[in-house]
Amino acid sequence: DQQVKQNSPSLSVQEGRISILNCDYTNSMFDYFLWYKKYPAEGPTFLISISSIKDKNEDGRFTVFLNKSAKHLSLHIVPSQPGDSAVYFCAALRIQGAQKLVFGQGTRLTINP
Amino acid sequence: DTAVSQTPKYLVTQMGNDKSIKCEQNLGHDTMYWYKQDSKKFLKIMFSYNNKELIINETVPNRFSPKSPDKAHLNLHINSLELGDSAVYFCASTADRTNTEAFFGQGTRLTVV
Repeated sequence: DQQVKQNSPSLSVQEGRISILNCDYTNSMFDYFLWYKKYPAEGPTFLISISSIKDKNEDGRFTVFLNKSAKHLSLHIVPSQPGDSAVYFCAALRIQGAQKLVFGQGTRLTINP
Repeated sequence: DTAVSQTPKYLVTQMGNDKSIKCEQNLGHDTMYWYKQDSKKFLKIMFSYNNKELIINETVPNRFSPKSPDKAHLNLHINSLELGDSAVYFCASTADRTNTEAFFGQGTRLTVV
């Protein structure tokens, strides 16, 4: 009954190209969607978020797209850099009394030189 | 000057023992959380405290007891450890209970043998 799913456990992209990470969700009541980046032996760090009332949010090389009808969001990284190699977690949030992030299982992104 | 710090980073212990994981945040945040990353890599919320008050308590065995002596600290005590408790536990904090950006600690890898 996972409400947030990342179906690609890993992704390999050449440096300079676009990386596209995908995420699907089942609960249409989520208010926000977030992407976190995680390096080995470190905790997740916040990367970018999008409100459920928007369909795009951009921050530098990172853009998140939200398709509510498909219950799908994606993170685009362009151009990809070696330092982007990490595990990326998609998360969803419903603000109802208390914040409770629901995470996907992560996608390991490897940027090849 | 770590924002959210957890100790210990690694913990190996025998079944049946009682252990604690400590968490401290120096961000002045009101809300703190414990998440568990299981063997399938999903990060799942366990508890949340807001200003020392328990606000989220997911379906977690009674052997797990969080304690918040003040709003900068949220410790996790686990009694009668079982093999299935082996996981990585992450502490996190947000400015308040509805804030979207969570700051995570580096994680505590618990191994029960």
